[in-house]
Amino acid sequence: DAGITQSPRHKVTETGTPVTLRCHQTENHRYMYWYRQDPGHGLRLIHYSYGVKDTDKGEVSDGYSVSRSKTEDFLLTLESATSSQTSVYFCAISAGGGLNTGELFFGEGSRLTVL
Amino acid sequence: EDQVTQSPEALRLQEGESSSLNCSYTVSGLRGLFWYRQDPGKGPEFLFTLYSAGEEKEKERLKATLTKKESFLHITAPKPEDSATYLCAVLRGGSNYKLTFGKGTLLTVNP
Repeated sequence: DAGITQSPRHKVTETGTPVTLRCHQTENHRYMYWYRQDPGHGLRLIHYSYGVKDTDKGEVSDGYSVSRSKTEDFLLTLESATSSQTSVYFCAISAGGGLNTGELFFGEGSRLTVL
Repeated sequence: EDQVTQSPEALRLQEGESSSLNCSYTVSGLRGLFWYRQDPGKGPEFLFTLYSAGEEKEKERLKATLTKKESFLHITAPKPEDSATYLCAVLRGGSNYKLTFGKGTLLTVNP
């Protein structure tokens, strides 16, 4: 257990509304990631963070922004949700301590439905 | 573009019936290949890292192997609790972070 908590776990919202998903970790990990998982696709990286206020884009970052004002919290924001953003969102931390790793600990996921 | 293809998409086994899952990949400068297990409604759980062709890793009934083009996850005498989706991912070498996941293989082990 890497001490990752995602909230909310489930959310239904309407097109055009803003949505923020929170990832909280308790073990002071430096590197954090947001992925989305959709049927017919592998997990895809949205954004990642390599420290407080240090973030970068992943392969599917359009329509998403992130913030990391504290080590323990990594927020994912959909400024104006669209139906194509209906997905399960996973937060992850680097298990080995480095950024460039595939050894990740994932949270339990946040299921978002945009109507 | 990096690609990861997992086969089969779904596999149904009887308890005790050994088999293998395949992960074929194309990536520029493989830095590592990773196997995960994902249970329904849960996040993926890290299983193994393989770094170079010929390397093998084992954990209980699972053994992962790696060649220059593919990896296999061998499951020996599976039990119903091994039922899950198994994901494969490859990490590209270089300064930019690029981890590419396959779509997974759904394994069902019947008692």
